[in-house]
Amino acid sequence: DAGVIQSPRHEVTEMGQEVTLRCKPISGHNSLFWYRQTMMRGLELLIYFNNNVPIDDSGMPEDRFSAKMPNASFSTLKIQPSEPRDSAVYFCASSPAGGTNTGELFFGEGSRLTVL
Amino acid sequence: QQQVKQSPQSLIVQKGGIPIINCAYENTAFDYFPWYQQFPGKGPALLIAIRPDVSEKKEGRFTISFNKSAKQFSLHIMDSQPGDSATYFCAASLGTYKYIFGTGTRLKVLA
Repeated sequence: DAGVIQSPRHEVTEMGQEVTLRCKPISGHNSLFWYRQTMMRGLELLIYFNNNVPIDDSGMPEDRFSAKMPNASFSTLKIQPSEPRDSAVYFCASSPAGGTNTGELFFGEGSRLTVL
Repeated sequence: QQQVKQSPQSLIVQKGGIPIINCAYENTAFDYFPWYQQFPGKGPALLIAIRPDVSEKKEGRFTISFNKSAKQFSLHIMDSQPGDSATYFCAASLGTYKYIFGTGTRLKVLA
C-alpha cells in the first residue's frame, strides 16, 4: 500500500515567493495533519483536518500560511509570501482515527523547504 | 504543563549495548505515550506505544518502561544494532489528535 505522498521533496525559493506543498494521505484515513520540523523547535503541529474540515489551525504561524483540503485525497499547505525563517521540513501525516480517538500517525517523507 | 521533556539529546553506544532514552511530562491527563523512530530523510514512524495502565511493554528488542507516579517513561533498546541508528521522539497525547512531541534523541550505534 502506498503511504502518505508529499511533493515536492525539496524546494528552494527566494524570499517573497509563494510556496505550495502538496500531500496525498493514505486512502481511508480521515485525519490529516501538517507538521513543521526544525532543529530549534522540533515537531510542531500546524493544522489538523478531520473529514476534510479544518479542526485546529492554532499552530499556523501567521496569515502567510494557509492550508486546504478540497477532498479526502489531497491537501495543500501554502506560504505566501515566504520568508527565510520558514525554512524547515514540512511533514504531512494521516491517521485512520479522529476526534477523541488516538491513533497512529503515518508520516510522509517530508518536503524540505529552503527560503533564501 | 503541556511539554514533554526528552533526554539525552544525543547518545552513542557500542553494538550490543542498551541505549536508554528518557521522557518526562507534567500533565497527568496524558493517556497515550508513543515513541517514533526517524531515519535521515524520512518521516517519523511509530515504533511502540504504551498507555498508563501498564508499567512495561515490549515489542521485539524495544521496551517502554512507564512510571506513572514519577510521570516518566523511557525507551530501552536491547542488543542495539547499527541499523537502530536514528532519531527517536517520545510523545504524549490527551486522547485526541494533539500529540506533544519531545525534542528528539539522536542515537548512533557503533559497529
